[in-house]
Amino acid sequence: GENVEQHPSTLSVQEGDSAVIKCTYSDSASNYFPWYKQELGKRPQLIIDIRSNVGEKKDQRIAVTLNKTAKHFSLHITETQPEDSAVYFCAASNNAGNMLTFGGGTRLMVKP
Amino acid sequence: DAGVIQSPRHEVTEMGQEVTLRCKPISGHDYLFWYRQTMMRGLELLIYFNNNVPIDDSGMPEDRFSAKMPNASFSTLKIQPSEPRDSAVYFCASGWDVRTEAFFGQGTRLTVV
Repeated sequence: GENVEQHPSTLSVQEGDSAVIKCTYSDSASNYFPWYKQELGKRPQLIIDIRSNVGEKKDQRIAVTLNKTAKHFSLHITETQPEDSAVYFCAASNNAGNMLTFGGGTRLMVKP
Repeated sequence: DAGVIQSPRHEVTEMGQEVTLRCKPISGHDYLFWYRQTMMRGLELLIYFNNNVPIDDSGMPEDRFSAKMPNASFSTLKIQPSEPRDSAVYFCASGWDVRTEAFFGQGTRLTVV
C-alpha cells in the first residue's frame, strides 16, 4: 500500500518568511495529492491539491510542486502570517480507488 | 448543506462500555470515511464506504471496532468494549471520489477512563 512521509514534523518561522513542507510517497501510481490545514481543535480542511498531470499549482500565497520522478511533493507558503499557524497534512491517492493516505503532519508556528 | 455532521462532539465513557459514534455525510457524496487522530499515530483511516458498501476496513484496529452504513445519509462507528487506548478524536469525512476533496466533520473527541 501507499506510504506517505512528511517533513519536518514541526516548523517555526518568523512572520513574513516563507515555509516549505515536504512529502514523499511510495506508490508510483498515486496521482492525486491534496494538502489539508488543521487549526487547533478544528477539522482538517483542504487548502490546495495537485494532480499528476501538472508540476506546480499556485493559489495566492500557497503553492504546491510535484516531482513524479522522485515521488515527492511540497507545500510552499510565502509571506507567512500568524493565522497560517496550524498543522498541515499532505496526502496521496490513485485511480485504483485506493483511499487517501495521509502524512504524519507538520505543526507550523508563525511568530509575530 | 450543513456539511458533514458528527455526534456527539465529546464523549466520556468508562472502560468496558459500548460507544457509538454517528455521522451524517454531505448529501450526494458517494464515499464516506472514518478516521482516528491521535498525537502518536496522526490521522489513520479506519474504514471507508462507497455507496454504503464497506470497501476497505483494513485500518480497523480490532474486532472491538465495527462500522455500518445502513443508508446514504447515516453511518455509525461502534467500539465494544471500549478501552483507554481508544481515546482519540474520530473524524468522519465524505466525498464524491477518493481522488477529490474529502470534507471532514467536526470530529468526536472520545475519552475512555
